[in-house]
Amino acid sequence: DVKVTQSSRYLVKRTGEKVFLECVQDMDHENMFWYRQDPGLGLRLIYFSYDVKMKEKGDIPEGYSVSREKKERFSLILESASTNQTSMYLCASSLYSRGSPLHFGNGTRLTVT
Amino acid sequence: LAKTTQPISMDSYEGQEVNITCSHNNIATNDYITWYQQFPSQGPRFIIQGYKTKVTNEVASLFIPADRKSSTLSLPRVSLSDTAVYYCLVGPDTGRRALTFGSGTRLQVQP
Repeated sequence: DVKVTQSSRYLVKRTGEKVFLECVQDMDHENMFWYRQDPGLGLRLIYFSYDVKMKEKGDIPEGYSVSREKKERFSLILESASTNQTSMYLCASSLYSRGSPLHFGNGTRLTVT
Repeated sequence: LAKTTQPISMDSYEGQEVNITCSHNNIATNDYITWYQQFPSQGPRFIIQGYKTKVTNEVASLFIPADRKSSTLSLPRVSLSDTAVYYCLVGPDTGRRALTFGSGTRLQVQP
């Protein structure tokens, strides 16, 4: 069974801090994704990666960056955290092949104060 | 990317069959239709996927008409534990194409 692990379940950071959210998958998936989820807005794609060192912007990349140095790991970076980045962050992975479903982690609830 | 439209919420009772319909009028030829289920404080979980006609697994059935402009997720004999948000996604989910989620359908099952 695919396992997508997010390093923290809950995180509290201060405004202006640099924040790292880590995600690891154990099924050798090529694709990895970062979403954020807010009440009433559903899941919105921040960034995704289809290979090591490759990244593509999603719908809301502003204020975020990502890093994929190894196939199994995809990091989301908040360069200078702001209160409007308080949210649930969800990582997902999938195979490159057509129709391959997404496998999600359980999320990191980030609060920026 | 194909845009999807689903009802915002639905209510049902235990033991009933629930059908959730998703509209995707601009679906592309190589797009699959995938449904996910999400419980509070968890990530979405894959339920079922189809390309055309009907697909059935141990959890649900997916009905796709010939024009593929809509799809219906069918949950037989729901229980309280089926209370969740259900998302319909359309896309090839491969390579550089990433999937965008809609707002989903919040299903509330009553005893």
